Parts: sequence; C-alpha cells; structure tokens
Amino acid sequence: DAGVIQSPRHEVTEMGQEVTLRCKPISGHDYLFWYRQTMMRGLELLIYFNNNVPIDDSGMPEDRFSAKMPNASFSTLKIQPSEPRDSAVYFCASSHSWGSNQPQHFGDGTRLSIL
Amino acid sequence: GDSVTQMEGPVTLSEEAFLTINCTYTATGYPSLFWYVQYPGEGLQLLLKATKADDKGSNKGFEATYRKETTSFHLEKGSVQVSDSAVYFCALRGITGGGNKLTFGTGTQLKVEL
Repeated sequence: DAGVIQSPRHEVTEMGQEVTLRCKPISGHDYLFWYRQTMMRGLELLIYFNNNVPIDDSGMPEDRFSAKMPNASFSTLKIQPSEPRDSAVYFCASSHSWGSNQPQHFGDGTRLSIL
Repeated sequence: GDSVTQMEGPVTLSEEAFLTINCTYTATGYPSLFWYVQYPGEGLQLLLKATKADDKGSNKGFEATYRKETTSFHLEKGSVQVSDSAVYFCALRGITGGGNKLTFGTGTQLKVEL
C-alpha cells in the first residue's frame, strides 16, 4: 500500500518567494497533520485537519503560513513570503480516527532551504 | 498539558550492547504510548506501541512496557546493530485535542559503532 506521499522532496528558493508543499495522505485516513522539524525546536505540529476541515492551527507560526485541504486526498502548506528562518524539514502525516491507539503515518518530508 | 521527556542524546554504543532509552510522560487519563524511529533523510516510522497499563510493545527486537505507576515507557533492545543507528522519539496520544494529536519527546539520537 502507498504511504503518505510528499512533494517535492527538496526545495531551494530565494527569500520572498512563495513556497508550496504538497501531501497525499493514505487513502481512508481522515486526519492529516503538518509538522516542522528543526535542530533548534525539534518536531512541531503546525496544523491538523479532520475530514478536510482544519481543527487546530495554533502551531502555525505566522500569517505567512497557510494550509488547505480541498479534498480527502490532497493538502498543501504554503509559505508566502518565505524567509530564511523557515528553512526546515516539513512532514505530513495521516491517521485513522478509529480508536485512540491509531498511530500517525509520516511521509518522507520536504527539505526546504530558503536562501 | 501533555508532555513527554526523553533522555538526552546522543547515545553511543558498541554493536551487540544493551540499549535503554528512557521516556517518561505527563498526561491526563490513559494515553496510548508510541516509539517512532527516524533514519537519516526519512520520515518517522512507528516502531512499537502500547495502549494500556502493563502492555508491552515489541518490534524488531525492541521492547517497551507501559508503566503507569512510574509514568514511563522506556525503550530497550538486548543487542543493538549498526543498522539501528537513528533518532528515536517517544510519543503519547492522549485526550488533549480530542485524542488525535501526538505529543512527541525531543528525540534521542543513537549511534552504534562496530
């Protein structure tokens, strides 16, 4: 079975540019999570969706960050304008809501470098 | 709120040594507990889980027992291999956020040398 698919795997762009990260969750999973991982701050939850609806975006660092989930099989995380401090690895994860013991399944991440 | 505390890394061991990575937690109610592993350049993968007190999760020679009395979920392996070198994350899924958010520890890097 296909896991969580993220694209691109690597992104290098200049400060001020718009960046769009993409995620396809595992089919049938109704929760989708976006995380950011840095050496300084570790793994941070940015936002999560249930049935395509944003439930908690308290981790989104600034208004420059936005996330959407137009349907059950696709989500985007957008940064506009991007800044060097946004450089990090961004992970998408999905899970099934049935039962509290359901784990989250992670994609391989997008390594973002803002110059 | 919920929190997870892991031992600081990096942990450096020789091949075939015994591994323990300590993890303690604070949570309301009865959370589910997980260990995830992250190999270089990859996302986190579920290693094992336990959903109630005294449950033992196990996978690939790794084990962890859910100890409610000590609020701990220490990861152990009897004989590590070089291929076990990775970062290990302890996590819990509690009732915070409707029971669908994971709270992660900071991760412990394991280096296994020949």
